[in-house]
Order: sequence, then C-alpha cells, then structure tokens
Amino acid sequence: DTAVSQTPKYLVTQMGNDKSIKCEQNLGHDTMYWYKQDSKKFLKIMFSYNNKELIINETVPNRFSPKSPDKAHLNLHINSLELGDSAVYFCASSRDTGYTFGSGTRLTVV
Amino acid sequence: GQSLEQPSEVTAVEGAIVQINCTYQTSGFYGLSWYQQHDGGAPTFLSYNGLDGLEETGRFSSFLSRSDSYGYLLLQELQMKDSASYFCAVRDEGDDKIIFGKGTRLHILP
Repeated sequence: DTAVSQTPKYLVTQMGNDKSIKCEQNLGHDTMYWYKQDSKKFLKIMFSYNNKELIINETVPNRFSPKSPDKAHLNLHINSLELGDSAVYFCASSRDTGYTFGSGTRLTVV
Repeated sequence: GQSLEQPSEVTAVEGAIVQINCTYQTSGFYGLSWYQQHDGGAPTFLSYNGLDGLEETGRFSSFLSRSDSYGYLLLQELQMKDSASYFCAVRDEGDDKIIFGKGTRLHILP
C-alpha cells in the first residue's frame, strides 16, 4: 500500500564510509526527488529525475550520486561520508502539483 | 534568486483559528503549496493554489494573491493534533522543482 517507500529508516555510520538509500514509488509518477532536511528543518532539494533522466542537480557535492534504474526507483549513494551529511533525507515523487514524500531516512555520521 | 518568508513560530489555542502567512520572491511562479510535517514524520501535502483566491479543504483553507506575492494557510477549529510544522512551497514556472520555506512551527495550547 505504501506510496513512496524508502529504506533504511535509520542509518548510523562512521565518517569516510559509503552508504546507499533506496526509494521506490508505486504511484506511477514520472518525477522523483531527493530532499535533505537539516537540523533546523530546512528542506532543500538535491536532485530531480524525470523518467530516469536527471533534470535537477542542485550543486550537491559529487560524493552524492543518484541512480534511477527505472521511473519507479531513485536511489542515493553517498561516498566518503562527512559529519555534515548528518540529516534526514526524503525521497518524493510527483505528477502535477503535489509531492508525496517517503517517510525519510535519518542519517547520522559519527 | 528565490525566497519564501513565513513566521518561524505561531501559538494558538485549541478550538481557535490561526493564519500562517507566506510571502515569496521567485523568478517565475507556477503555484503555492502547503505541507504539514509532524515531528519525526514526513511532509504531507495539504493544498495548492495556482490561481488567486481561496481554496477550502475541510478545516484548512489556503489563499493566494499573485499580485502581492502572498498567500496564507488558515486552520479552523484547531485540534491538538494540528501541532506540527507547516511549510509553504513555490513551484517555479519552467523549473520542475519546489522550493520550500523554512517552516512555521504551530504550537497549540489546551
């Protein structure tokens, strides 16, 4: 039933490690996004994909690499994790005016 | 650039009415949306205004004035469960992304 699901929900890892977050939507939406929410709750867009094509890359460090194997999936791989990467990462999808968000992945880098 | 301004916090009493304002500056404009986010949860879509005027959905209403670059979210008959953060968001015309305001934390007193 879940519209946008992302895994894992929590991720605790050491600096320098590489980790991935997976996202899947079953809404049939064409566009998917990754947003980062910092400790002050500011939601900032990172990437947007439309039908597997990257359309927005908001000057995110190239340690972050999104991958969309098909239009229902958008994964986020992060290399060489840094303390400042600690945040909640939300996947979202949309067709028209409203976004549907996943439940978020709380990443803590120690 | 793009910016959205909304109050950081608002406090109201259970059963009352509260209005959360949002002003925006964008290079283009395709519509104003509102999202609700409870602590530890994901943002959820509340409403969208593409044209001037009032949109009503149950206890929540949203208003837009494009000439004033201004909108608001009106919550009536406040309930304790309405305690959350509320984000206004603007979609830039021709740009397939939504920019979020920094959010308004709504505190409801019994």
